[in-house]
Amino acid sequence: KQEVTQIPAALSVPEGENLVLNCSFTDSAIYNLQWFRQDPGKGLTSLLLIQSSQREQTSGRLNASLDKSSGRSTLYIAASQPGDSATYLCAVVDSNYQLIWGAGTKLIIKP
Amino acid sequence: DAGITQSPRHKVTETGTPVTLRCHQTENHRYMYWYRQDPGHGLRLIHYSYGVKDTDKGEVSDGYSVSRSKTEDFLLTLESATSSQTSVYFCAISGGRGETQYFGPGTRLLVL
Repeated sequence: KQEVTQIPAALSVPEGENLVLNCSFTDSAIYNLQWFRQDPGKGLTSLLLIQSSQREQTSGRLNASLDKSSGRSTLYIAASQPGDSATYLCAVVDSNYQLIWGAGTKLIIKP
Repeated sequence: DAGITQSPRHKVTETGTPVTLRCHQTENHRYMYWYRQDPGHGLRLIHYSYGVKDTDKGEVSDGYSVSRSKTEDFLLTLESATSSQTSVYFCAISGGRGETQYFGPGTRLLVL
């Protein structure tokens, strides 16, 4: 059974720092991997989708990488801002096209 | 933002009563999903739909039923609400299987 783990569960960094969020999964047979952010009391917003054949995707200050063989993905945030404070969730789409979710990393950017 | 609305946004009900949550989309997406989000469990799929009148079960479907009579509407019914169904419920849509999902704002349900 596919399991998705995100470490750390929480992270607090000063504004302006570059940071990396980690996501690991147990079964490399994935269709794609998706990163979302969730603001308190709100729904989820899609950030990036990496197809299983891709190594990385970029959107603005965000860069997501995928290493299927090792079961890992990272989300790199450059020059962090207080507005980046949110919970970041990773999800893999398995061979049945279902999203399997990690528990998320709560990120706090201190001004 | 994708046009997805959920109603009601907040609801308090009593154990044993039926509850229906509504998801409405204006994007004409084929796939619609219902999730619940609980501390310590993350997001879990309840049911999903791949077309009008076409639905299937997710990971935690017991005690829930769904219906989709129109492309734009997906209803989630708690047949007899229990305290364990207190949660935040999210609707999502996607254009195809495995594609990016777009989420609604959520419904907070409290079952007393």
